[in-house]
Amino acid sequence: SAVISQKPSRDICQRGTSLTIQCQVDSQVTMMFWYRQQPGQSLTLIATANQGSEATYESGFVIDKFPISRPNLTFSTLTVSNMSPEDSSIYLCSAGQPNYGYTFGSGTRLTVV
Amino acid sequence: GQQVMQIPQYQHVQEGEDFTTYCNSSTTLSNIQWYKQRPGGHPVFLIQLVKSGEVKKQKRLTFQFGEAKKNSSLHITATQTTDVGTYFCAENTNAGKSTFGDGTTLTVKP
Repeated sequence: SAVISQKPSRDICQRGTSLTIQCQVDSQVTMMFWYRQQPGQSLTLIATANQGSEATYESGFVIDKFPISRPNLTFSTLTVSNMSPEDSSIYLCSAGQPNYGYTFGSGTRLTVV
Repeated sequence: GQQVMQIPQYQHVQEGEDFTTYCNSSTTLSNIQWYKQRPGGHPVFLIQLVKSGEVKKQKRLTFQFGEAKKNSSLHITATQTTDVGTYFCAENTNAGKSTFGDGTTLTVKP
């Protein structure tokens, strides 16, 4: 299965600023996703990162707030824009091939102050 | 959209006791995946079930997919402290994305 390097592992940011999270996969993968997880809760899918085209966002998430890039089959970024304390959460990327299970990055713990 | 419901939300067991978590859906599932997330960690894929009535085993873990493909279970025999964590079921849809249940958090008292 794929191995994912996710950076940064944690950050404390000022409200109104933006943070870009990166995920690098050690092999080419068909699917990459971005999730948000509050401590003690389940995973909420933000969007599917599509290679070479605009991401597909889930209900409640918009491109202006969470711009996503996926320039190739091994790399994706998620930006959390114009942050507020409500954006404090753990952000996770996942990647892999459909029906083979997905590998997750180690997560980015974001605190907005 | 499709939702998978998991029960129980929490389970506390004595080491050596068995543990079961259940995943239920009101509609037929294409498949069911199981993940484990250790405290402070990230989800790790355990297994995927696709066929009606399918049963798979991984050491002390037994995974079942219901005959109607509307429910699934994960059973751990003789729990150990290394089994602690949250177990999630998820359906992998035709679009390739996974919809996760709320998870069952297992604690094991030594």
